[in-house]
Amino acid sequence: SAVISQKPSRDICQRGTSLTIQCQVDSQVTMMFWYRQQPGQSLTLIATANQGSEATYESGFVIDKFPISRPNLTFSTLTVSNLSPEDSSIYLCSVREPNQPQHFGDGTRLSIL
Amino acid sequence: DQQVKQNSPSLSVQEGRISILNCDYTNSMFDYFLWYKKYPAEGPTFLISISSIKDKNEDGRFTVFLNKSAKHLSLHIVPSQPGDSAVYFCAASAGGNNRLAFGKGNQVVVIP
Repeated sequence: SAVISQKPSRDICQRGTSLTIQCQVDSQVTMMFWYRQQPGQSLTLIATANQGSEATYESGFVIDKFPISRPNLTFSTLTVSNLSPEDSSIYLCSVREPNQPQHFGDGTRLSIL
Repeated sequence: DQQVKQNSPSLSVQEGRISILNCDYTNSMFDYFLWYKKYPAEGPTFLISISSIKDKNEDGRFTVFLNKSAKHLSLHIVPSQPGDSAVYFCAASAGGNNRLAFGKGNQVVVIP
């Protein structure tokens, strides 16, 4: 299955700033997703990253707060904007290849000061 | 609204014994269920899945049972090994949809 690399693996950011997380896959994949796991909570789907078009966001997530880019079939970025303490979470990229279950990168651990 | 629920957040079991993890769901449209295993500082890794047309799927030491009428599934690990110590997530999707709904996870500790 495809190998997923996420960068950075962790970061500590100031309130009001933004962080961009990169997800690189070693092969072309059709489906890419971004999830968030807040402390003590389940993984929650933020959006589906669509190649060459705007991402499809889940209820409760908006493009202004979580802009996503997907310029090609191997790469996507998630930006978390205007950071507040509530954004302290693990952010995970996942991909789905045909006839395979979704599999995940190792995540980005974000803490807000 | 939590559509996938995992109660009993933690479980301790002796090596060699059976670990049983439970998962309940509320959305009757869910028809595909997965279990993921997660070690600290790593992403979730796929363990086993089951389609709603089955009531059991087995892969080595791991078996998943599905009770559709009760909207309940369980994961059995037998025999449990120390390397099984991890957090286990139950997930579900509907109608070939790629959008997964996850439970909060169960911490399993296997005692040597």
